[in-house]
Amino acid sequence: QLQLQESGPGLVKPSETLSLTCTVSGGSISSSSYYWGWIRQPPGKGLEWIGSIYYRGSTYYNPSLKSRVTISVDTSKNQFSLKLSSVTAADTAVYYCARARDTSMVPDYWGQGTLVTVSS
Amino acid sequence: QSVLTQPPSVSAAPGQKVTISCSGSSSNIGNNYVSWYQQLPGTTPKLLIYESNKRPSGIPDRFSGSKSGTSATLGITGLQTGDEADYYCGTWDSSLTAGVFGGGTKLTVL
Repeated sequence: QLQLQESGPGLVKPSETLSLTCTVSGGSISSSSYYWGWIRQPPGKGLEWIGSIYYRGSTYYNPSLKSRVTISVDTSKNQFSLKLSSVTAADTAVYYCARARDTSMVPDYWGQGTLVTVSS
Repeated sequence: QSVLTQPPSVSAAPGQKVTISCSGSSSNIGNNYVSWYQQLPGTTPKLLIYESNKRPSGIPDRFSGSKSGTSATLGITGLQTGDEADYYCGTWDSSLTAGVFGGGTKLTVL
């Protein structure tokens, strides 16, 4: 059974870089049918798509975050990662990693999510 | 302001049917598949519908999806109190080359 697990600091200082990793188990990140991505949800608010990556490295990013976001993949570890730079309190959210079918490009499998708080 | 527009809330009595709409444009719903998600309080979103009208294994046939033009609809029949949740639509936007979600609809089963 496919499982995705987010890991990384739960507290980040303003202006610093948020870094999260998603470890995939029960399936290969190198599958040709899927993209791997990040979605976030500020407390009490809706879902925001951040970006996604194919195992060969091609990426798509939310235009509103593109200047601050980098998503990378490590196929040897079956992991992919998110970096969000110059964070502010507005970046406080639950961050989910997810798998997306290449036919839809939006998630079908989700990680449990991890709360990241931006505060000094 | 979400790219996809959903009603903020809907409500219906147990056993009744409810529909949730998701309105977009030709660059997103009009030319791409729509997915629907259920998020129970304090939990991770769960896929209910993919490719506009398909249900993953384990999702009861009380849940259905349809798409027409630049709008999509989630239908839920035989409402149960356990269906109380936030529901989101999502799709790809070919102009933005990005995923987009609706703002979410809170379902109350009265």
